[in-house]
Amino acid sequence: GNSVTQMEGPVTLSEEAFLTINCTYTATGYPSLFWYVQYPGEGLQLLLKATKADDKGSNKGFEATYRKETTSFHLEKGSVQVSDSAVYFCALRGGSYIPTFGRGTSLIVHP
Amino acid sequence: DVKVTQSSRYLVKRTGEKVFLECVQDMDHENMFWYRQDPGLGLRLIYFSYDVKMKEKGDIPEGYSVSREKKERFSLILESASTNQTSMYLCASSLPQGLGAEAFFGQGTRLTVV
Repeated sequence: GNSVTQMEGPVTLSEEAFLTINCTYTATGYPSLFWYVQYPGEGLQLLLKATKADDKGSNKGFEATYRKETTSFHLEKGSVQVSDSAVYFCALRGGSYIPTFGRGTSLIVHP
Repeated sequence: DVKVTQSSRYLVKRTGEKVFLECVQDMDHENMFWYRQDPGLGLRLIYFSYDVKMKEKGDIPEGYSVSREKKERFSLILESASTNQTSMYLCASSLPQGLGAEAFFGQGTRLTVV
């Protein structure tokens, strides 16, 4: 079946540092890939997505590239802010009704 | 603006009570989902529905049931609440499976069973 593996947190960074959160997946066919963000006490909201190999999703300074050869979709941001502190979920949707989520990575950004 | 609304942000219930969690979406989505979120375990799927009156068990359906009588509403029912059902519950909806069909989430219901 489908699965998503993302790096465990928490990831702790200083403001303006570079961020990478790793995500790899297992799926049959050609799934769509997503990053969601969850701020404290809230539900998940879509951050970015990519629907085919070599697509780059981007939003609010975050980027991720769909790499089929390495089955990866790593999230990056060049300069994080305190307001980026949240939990980040990698997800895929392949040949079934059900989105599959990773376990989430907590990001803490210090001033 | 698209919206998924859960009826309560916080609930406190007693062991053995029957508990109803309501979710309404205004996007005319066919698919709806109920997840629970626990620290270290991520999101676990309880039930999903791919259309009105249709429902399928997810990974952890025990102790739960669902109802989908109208397209916009998907209810999660805890038949007899227990303390191990204390958790954050998240409802989501989406268009049918297809490229780019992202899920839209409600704000979550934090349920405490005492």
